[in-house]
Amino acid sequence: DAKTTQPNSMESNEEEPVHLPCNHSTISGTDYIHWYRQLPSQGPEYVIHGLTSNVNNRMASLAIAEDRKSSTLILHRATLRDAAVYYCILSLPNTGNQFYFGTGTSLTVIP
Amino acid sequence: AAGVIQSPRHLIKEKRETATLKCYPIPRHDTVYWYQQGPGQDPQFLISFYEKMQSDKGSIPDRFSAQQFSDYHSELNMSSLELGDSALYFCASSLSTSGDTGELFFGEGSRLTVL
Repeated sequence: DAKTTQPNSMESNEEEPVHLPCNHSTISGTDYIHWYRQLPSQGPEYVIHGLTSNVNNRMASLAIAEDRKSSTLILHRATLRDAAVYYCILSLPNTGNQFYFGTGTSLTVIP
Repeated sequence: AAGVIQSPRHLIKEKRETATLKCYPIPRHDTVYWYQQGPGQDPQFLISFYEKMQSDKGSIPDRFSAQQFSDYHSELNMSSLELGDSALYFCASSLSTSGDTGELFFGEGSRLTVL
């Protein structure tokens, strides 16, 4: 399975933007880049995903490097409810694929 | 909107007993995933099903088995339980489109405690 590398932890001040990086140097041309987050004692929650182009939704933006070897999840204004573990995951293009969670980034939001 | 339903939410078993966890995916979703998350650990992929057929296997112990039924619900069967099996077990479902896994929707999890 393709590997991702994320910082173990990051801090952000409330109402400021947060940029969460992810390296995936072994990504293949057909792997999608997914981001999920998990609050304590809850199931993971989808944030965003993309293939090549940058993506925006109501929760966040995903910036994908031109060579696709890295990506950045952008939370435009961090709130206390954004404090969670954020996972960057690569998925294979086949259905029913092995969707592996690596070691995510624990985001602390400081009031 | 209907979400992924898991039952039971909490389960307490003794060592060497068996346990069965159930998952009801979102209607019309074609893929089901099972994950195990130990205390302070990241979710570990166990197994997945696509259209009721086993699709991929992760780090699922031989003591565990799973299947997906004709109504698309899935069950994770765990036998000869060990203390280390104590964990949160998550089920997720998704609707795959060609070339894209799509969004995985997770249930609230089943917490298994083995004494």
